Amino acid sequence: SQQGEEDPQALSIQEGENATMNCSYKTSINNLQWYRQNSGRGLVHLILIRSNEREKHSGRLRVTLDTSKKSSSLLITASRAADTASYFCATATGRRALTFGSGTRLQVQP
Amino acid sequence: DAGVIQSPRHEVTEMGQEVTLRCKPISGHDYLFWYRQTMMRGLELLIYFNNNVPIDDSGMPEDRFSAKMPNASFSTLKIQPSEPRDSAVYFCASRQSGREDTEAFFGQGTRLTVV
Repeated sequence: SQQGEEDPQALSIQEGENATMNCSYKTSINNLQWYRQNSGRGLVHLILIRSNEREKHSGRLRVTLDTSKKSSSLLITASRAADTASYFCATATGRRALTFGSGTRLQVQP
Repeated sequence: DAGVIQSPRHEVTEMGQEVTLRCKPISGHDYLFWYRQTMMRGLELLIYFNNNVPIDDSGMPEDRFSAKMPNASFSTLKIQPSEPRDSAVYFCASRQSGREDTEAFFGQGTRLTVV
């Protein structure tokens, strides 16, 4: 079963707008990671947030984590057509193997 | 480093045939993972290795699937015999350590089509 579930499943926005994706997970975690997957490619790590952090920034990315609600969000500000991809949250709880959510497909219209 | 290298990128085979997927992890990475991605089931962990030893193969769907890691720089995932429902994209990933806060590096994947 999926440890993380993202919503929405798909998101279409215009270039310049902000994109927000949410992830919910089931078990306690020490950290949560976000990955990006371009069409036909492998996943690429974007950012990691630890359980003692509430918010983290990296360039145009902002990640929040609410451990009480077991949820995380990824915000991409001022989106670009090149941001079109699928985005996944991932957690690892003791197994040392990342478990990925179902992903959000983001389409940024130029 | 060239990253995680998988071959072939695409494989089309007939039902019943044996399929072997190959992976070269990043040098120095102690952990290697095999994932399968489908529209219906998303990304599923099949098996992972630590220092060439299989640690968890509970995700391997059936006995038709087997994986080996004969050395630190090479792993294979074999399906014998293949079935149409095995059609998916198979990813190999490697990680420097088992720590939860280390990122995984993925290969480009092998798109398998079984007809």
